[in-house]
Amino acid sequence: LAKTTQPISMDSYEGQEVNITCSHNNIATNDYITWYQQFPSQGPRFIIQGYKTKVTNEVASLFIPADRKSSTLSLPRVSLSDTAVYYCLVAPSGQGGKLIFGQGTELSVKP
Amino acid sequence: DSGVTQTPKHLITATGQRVTLRCSPRSGDLSVYWYQQSLDQGLQFLIQYYNGEERAKGNILERFSAQQFPDLHSELNLSSLELGDSALYFCASSVDQNEQYFGPGTRLTVT
Repeated sequence: LAKTTQPISMDSYEGQEVNITCSHNNIATNDYITWYQQFPSQGPRFIIQGYKTKVTNEVASLFIPADRKSSTLSLPRVSLSDTAVYYCLVAPSGQGGKLIFGQGTELSVKP
Repeated sequence: DSGVTQTPKHLITATGQRVTLRCSPRSGDLSVYWYQQSLDQGLQFLIQYYNGEERAKGNILERFSAQQFPDLHSELNLSSLELGDSALYFCASSVDQNEQYFGPGTRLTVT
């Protein structure tokens, strides 16, 4: 399984765009990149998943360069409620693998 | 609401005891995953079941066991409990391992 590296923490202000970058130098050809959000004492929540280039949904965008050795989660116009821990995971699709949640990035949004 | 239910929400027990945590997956999901989250260890994958069969194993102690029943609900059994087993235990279900839906968790306190 590819190891991921993310910043431990980030600070932002309401209304700003936040970009969280994850490094995954050993990503395999069949690996997908997935981001989860976790609030204190709650289970992680799936945010977005991608394989290459750019993926966008109603919550976030995910940018993946051609070499796929990193990815960037972009949260547009964050609010206080976006304060959470964000995890980047790299794993193949399907069944039967174990997902490794790293330390994640603790995002703090201030007024 | 993820559609995954877990009971009980809280559990307080003494060292040496045995407890059972229960999880009902989202309708249609065949895979169930168990995770342990403690303050010093982060989110740790324990075990995965797929349609009643064990599919992947993580850092699960020998004192812990799990099973998935024909109706797809799953139980995690923790025995000979130690103080260090105090944690949040999450269950997740999925169609694809990269898009997991987590339950609200069971907070276990061992005294």
